[in-house]
Amino acid sequence: QSVLTQPPSVSAAPGQKVTISCSGSSSNIGRDPVSWYQQFPGAVPKLLIYDNDKRPSGIPDRFSGSKSGTSATLAITGLQTGDEADYYCGAWDISQSWVFGGGTKLTVL
Amino acid sequence: QVRLVESGGGVVQPGTSLTLSCVASGLTFNKYGMHWIRQPPGKGLEWVTFMSYDGDEKWYGEAVRGRSTMSRDNPRNAFYLQLHSLRADDTAVYYCATDGAHRDIGYWGQGTLLTVS
Repeated sequence: QSVLTQPPSVSAAPGQKVTISCSGSSSNIGRDPVSWYQQFPGAVPKLLIYDNDKRPSGIPDRFSGSKSGTSATLAITGLQTGDEADYYCGAWDISQSWVFGGGTKLTVL
Repeated sequence: QVRLVESGGGVVQPGTSLTLSCVASGLTFNKYGMHWIRQPPGKGLEWVTFMSYDGDEKWYGEAVRGRSTMSRDNPRNAFYLQLHSLRADDTAVYYCATDGAHRDIGYWGQGTLLTVS
């Protein structure tokens, strides 16, 4: 069982918006920035969002992140079939460990 | 560009030991903390270990604590993970990755598959 809680799957139609939640606690998200990672099937995870809401160079502005208290949200607008992937949230925990969410599989219908 | 290359995976028997290696290029290695992260087949990401840029801080995840040892060789841009008393549930792709500047995990290697069977 992961320390950070994500829904196992989400889905939406092309062009729509989808959000993925990530719930933690005061030991992790409540005290440290959240980052998000995108992983296509058979590929290496890639940093998608860092410091709660910032995008690395090359990440489209269709991807956005937010954080409130002990929860974070990844939003993807203008969904494309190419966005189908697994998405993971992560953060440092007070226990000197990095924690990931269990991952969310995005399906674009 | 930044490149991290892992090696050392393979098929090993339960109870044995193994050393995974990661060699970095395209970055100032001695300025980066380093992680090992693993992913069992068909499952999610699991953080394994972290070592600070200078090797002074070493943090181990619960799954490997007490049966693993990290080290790094900054002049050789290399990072290592020794795993002992290997078990079937250690089977995973092992990624090395850099600690990011904003409390994130920035660069990832391609991974090396370890199968304990």
